[in-house]
Amino acid sequence: ETAVFQTPNYHVTQVGNEVSFNCKQTLGHDTMYWYKQDSKKLLKIMFSYNNKQLIVNETVPRRFSPQSSDKAHLNLRIKSVEPEDSAVYLCASSFRLGVNYAEQFFGPGTRLTVL
Amino acid sequence: GDSVTQTEGLVTVTEGLPVKLNCTYQTTYLTIAFFWYVQYLNEAPQVLLKSSTDNKRTEHQGFHATLHKSSSSFHLQKSSAQLSDSALYYCARYTGYQNFYFGKGTSLTVIP
Repeated sequence: ETAVFQTPNYHVTQVGNEVSFNCKQTLGHDTMYWYKQDSKKLLKIMFSYNNKQLIVNETVPRRFSPQSSDKAHLNLRIKSVEPEDSAVYLCASSFRLGVNYAEQFFGPGTRLTVL
Repeated sequence: GDSVTQTEGLVTVTEGLPVKLNCTYQTTYLTIAFFWYVQYLNEAPQVLLKSSTDNKRTEHQGFHATLHKSSSSFHLQKSSAQLSDSALYYCARYTGYQNFYFGKGTSLTVIP
């Protein structure tokens, strides 16, 4: 099956803890992304990663950091979670060039609840 | 600056009637492509339409949209709404270098 996979589906934690979310894509894409979808369903791009080049949305707090081992994996680490980090985190991937460039495929998301 | 503005909030339409969701943009940068994404309840967003050509109509699943750079718009339309079209719709603009700008989303509810 070719798709974008995320784990875990849900995660509940307390303020100050560190969390890490995994994302893997089997679509052969060369670019991966992390988005935050808040309770109002606003979608905000956090990071994009292509060929070891990381682009960071300047509004993302420094406690967030992406981690990649290869072009098929892009994990998200939150060093010390805050209540406002409660949201759904969506991973996506796409081709950077070619006929279907920039057409993103999303994973099912990881819902984070910070108590 | 750069922004994408959609029909805000909730749109309710009766089954069988036409529906139009507005999307306009302001930009400092060149636009490479525009997208409409649809997100059904408890699912991930998925591409519905994509366009990178000015004044060319693009269609998929009964929906259509035309990118008009002269009016900075990429409105989504369907001639006859179906109950299964009820979902959250996002308009998104791609400016290159992995930069995407999403609108705030429009929730469409189709009623019998």
